[in-house]
Amino acid sequence: NAGVTQTPKFQVLKTGQSMTLQCAQDMNHEYMSWYRQDPGMGLRLIHYSVGAGITDQGEVPNGYNVSRSTTEDFPLRLLSAAPSQTSVYFCASISPGLEGGELFFGEGSRLTVL
Amino acid sequence: AQKITQTQPGMFVQEKEAVTLDCTYDTSDQSYGLFWYKQPSSGEMIFLIYQGSYDEQNATEGRYSLNFQKARKSANLVISASQLGDSAMYFCAMNNRGTYKYIFGTGTRLKVLA
Repeated sequence: NAGVTQTPKFQVLKTGQSMTLQCAQDMNHEYMSWYRQDPGMGLRLIHYSVGAGITDQGEVPNGYNVSRSTTEDFPLRLLSAAPSQTSVYFCASISPGLEGGELFFGEGSRLTVL
Repeated sequence: AQKITQTQPGMFVQEKEAVTLDCTYDTSDQSYGLFWYKQPSSGEMIFLIYQGSYDEQNATEGRYSLNFQKARKSANLVISASQLGDSAMYFCAMNNRGTYKYIFGTGTRLKVLA
């Protein structure tokens, strides 16, 4: 009954370092997405995917890369971290039905870039 | 363009009283979904309630109800009989049919007083 699993939960990086936030879901959801949450700004969509091999940009994609090689996994890559990328990151997948469906969220990953 | 507006950054309510959290939205689409999520201090995102644009009845889920006024483009969350455990950040979100780009408001932090 894992749902959406994100790793790591906490990470500290230095400016310019790279890292990958992992996201995996076991609900066979076609749609997966990454959001960042910043104080006073709510959640903003970074990238999303509607199925394996298909990705698209959201509202704030700059500085992030994604790929979707399997239905289960949707990693988010920071190629050269910047202090502006300090944030809490959420991965989410959708259950079918409704107008787009309810989002199932991971527990979040808190990233600090020094 | 879609937009969600939550004008109340913070709210206080006395335990056992009802509280309304405001949400207005903007979209040119006729078919869309409206959602409310709760984020307690532990950080996870919890789905509360959903309203479809074609639903004639207001959605209810236990102590949560969604006051949907389509003409005014508002989707306020009503929490009845507030409990201390309701203290959290609450986010309004929407999604247009056929797209997977959910947008979120900036949130309202609710504090329930004993």
